[in-house]
Amino acid sequence: DVKVTQSSRYLVKRTGEKVFLECVQDMDHENMFWYRQDPGLGLRLIYFSYDVKMKEKGDIPEGYSVSREKKERFSLILESASTNQTSMYLCASSSRDRGLYEQYFGPGTRLTVT
Amino acid sequence: GQQLNQSPQSMFIQEGEDVSMNCTSSSIFNTWLWYKQDPGEGPVLLIALYKAGELTSNGRLTAQFGITRKDSFLNISASIPSDVGIYFCAGQLTGAGSYQLTFGKGTKLSVIP
Repeated sequence: DVKVTQSSRYLVKRTGEKVFLECVQDMDHENMFWYRQDPGLGLRLIYFSYDVKMKEKGDIPEGYSVSREKKERFSLILESASTNQTSMYLCASSSRDRGLYEQYFGPGTRLTVT
Repeated sequence: GQQLNQSPQSMFIQEGEDVSMNCTSSSIFNTWLWYKQDPGEGPVLLIALYKAGELTSNGRLTAQFGITRKDSFLNISASIPSDVGIYFCAGQLTGAGSYQLTFGKGTKLSVIP
C-alpha cells in the first residue's frame, strides 16, 4: 500500500513565522503535490514536482515555496506566515508509470496562523 | 482553471438506501477518479477509471466513466453509517501535459441510522 506521511497533523504558528511542512512517500513515486483545502473552495494546487529538484507552480503559489532534494520528500515552506494561510494542507504523490494519474494523499496538516 | 461540477453538494439518506452522485464538465477527460474524505483526514482513492464507458466496482461502490468523456457517476449501494464523509471526483484533462488533476468540490454524505 502507498503510504504518504506528513510531519504534523496540527500546527499553530504566529504571523510572520517561517513554517515548514514536510511530506514523505514510500512508493518511489516521481510526482509529488501540495494542495490546500478550504471550505467552499475545494482542493487547490499550490506546487508540484515531477522529479528531484524540479518544481512547477500550481494555481495558488503566492506566499509559498517548495523544496525537493530527495525523491521521497517534498517540503512546503511558508516564508512569512499570514492569517489567510490558515488552512488544511494536503500532500499527494503519484507514479509516472503508464500515464497513471492516481494521486495518493497524506492525512493532512491543519495549520492555524494567529 | 477548468471546473468540475459535482452534484449534489450534500445529501441525507437512510441507512440501507442506495446513493448516486455525479460529476460533469464541458471539457473532455482522460481519467476519472473518485475519492472519499473522512473528517480531519486526507482523501482516500476509491476507484480509478481510464476508458470511456468503463464501469468499475469496489465492494458496494460502482463508478462509471461517461461515454462522452465529460462526466462520471458514483453509486453506493446499501449505505451504512461508515459511508459518511465527503466524496470527491477528480479528472485528468485531455491534452494536459502534466500530471495535474482537476477536482470537484465534493458531495457531503450523511447517513441516518
